[in-house]
Amino acid sequence: DAKTTQPTSMDCAEGRAANLPCNHSTISGNEYVYWYRQIHSQGPQYIIHGLKNNETNEMASLIITEDRKSSTLILPHATLRDTAVYYCIVRSSTSGTYKYIFGTGTRLKVLA
Amino acid sequence: DAGITQSPRYKITETGRQVTLMCHQTWSHSYMFWYRQDLGHGLRLIYYSAAADITDKGEVPDGYVVSRSKTENFPLTLESATRSQTSVYFCASSGQGGNTIYFGEGSWLTVV
Repeated sequence: DAKTTQPTSMDCAEGRAANLPCNHSTISGNEYVYWYRQIHSQGPQYIIHGLKNNETNEMASLIITEDRKSSTLILPHATLRDTAVYYCIVRSSTSGTYKYIFGTGTRLKVLA
Repeated sequence: DAGITQSPRYKITETGRQVTLMCHQTWSHSYMFWYRQDLGHGLRLIYYSAAADITDKGEVPDGYVVSRSKTENFPLTLESATRSQTSVYFCASSGQGGNTIYFGEGSWLTVV
């Protein structure tokens, strides 16, 4: 299973872009990168996912490097409600079945 | 839109007792997952299931038993609870092909 490495914590000023990096150097060609976030002790919430190309939705943008060994989640205008733990996950496949292994995540604190 | 529900939400049990955590989803998702999250840590995969009657071990399966006789239910049983199994347990599901996973609200289990 591909492992992910993220910084333990980050701070971001309210209204500024939050850029959360993730290293997944052992990723295989057909493995997707997913991002989730967890606010307090709620169930994790889906943000975005991608394979090769950059992706954007109403919540965030995902930038994946050309070699796919790392990615960056961008929250374009962070708000206080974006304070959460952000998890970068590589969806792995074994014999046609999928599983999602979470790492330790990055604790993002948005400052007023 | 019931989604995915877990029960009980909160449980205190004694060491050595058998405990079953229930998970029910209304989307007919083929995949279901159980994670545990210890205080201040990330999520760890216990067991997962790609379809009814198909289950696989995750990262930390020891001490747990699962079954999947119906697509919509995925109970997790602690056969003889230990204090180290005190944790928050999250159930999740996703559709065929391993798409976005959706989490329940969590079950808080304390073993005394």
